[in-house]
Amino acid sequence: GDSVTQMEGPVTLSEEAFLTINCTYTATGYPSLFWYVQYPGEGLQLLLKATKADDKGSNKGFEATYRKETTSFHLEKGSVQVSDSAVYFCAGTAVNTGTASKLTFGTGTRLQVTL
Amino acid sequence: GAVVSQHPSRVICKSGTSVKIECRSLDFQATTMFWYRQFPKKSLMLMATSNEGSKATYEQGVEKDKFLINHASLTLSTLTVTSAHPEDSSFYICSARLAGGSDEQYFGPGTRLTVT
Repeated sequence: GDSVTQMEGPVTLSEEAFLTINCTYTATGYPSLFWYVQYPGEGLQLLLKATKADDKGSNKGFEATYRKETTSFHLEKGSVQVSDSAVYFCAGTAVNTGTASKLTFGTGTRLQVTL
Repeated sequence: GAVVSQHPSRVICKSGTSVKIECRSLDFQATTMFWYRQFPKKSLMLMATSNEGSKATYEQGVEKDKFLINHASLTLSTLTVTSAHPEDSSFYICSARLAGGSDEQYFGPGTRLTVT
């Protein structure tokens, strides 16, 4: 079945450091790929997405490129801030036999940014 | 826009009782809602897909008689954990898809269930 693998955390960085959180997927076909962020005490929010190979999703300084050849969708940010401290989930869709697409999530990576 | 709420945010119940969790899309209509379970330090596990006006589709290994899902309107889905046991203690999260919209799911803040 489909699966998403992301690096385990926690990841601790100093403010303004470069961030990479690795994510790879295994799927039949080519799923849409997403990064969700969960801030403390809040629900998951969509951070960015890519629907086909070579697409780059970007938002709030975060970027991820859908690499078909390596089946990866690594999340990057050039300069993290304390406010980026959260749990980040990589996810991919697999089309149901019905009308709704299901999301398969990675285990989440906790990011802690310190001053 | 696209806000999803859950109620309650936390609930403690005794073993053997039932508890209902509500998921509401506040400012949009959702033909499809999803229910997930999140274990500590683990990912979200899809439990079931709920379509308005029809029976929910459960994932393999999820007991439909234990986790009753009702999607009676375009803005409300409920999950009832029947005859709860301590092993049902978990964080339950719902999400909703816009009617006629894209694949994007909007997530609720979650409900922490503790069964004593």
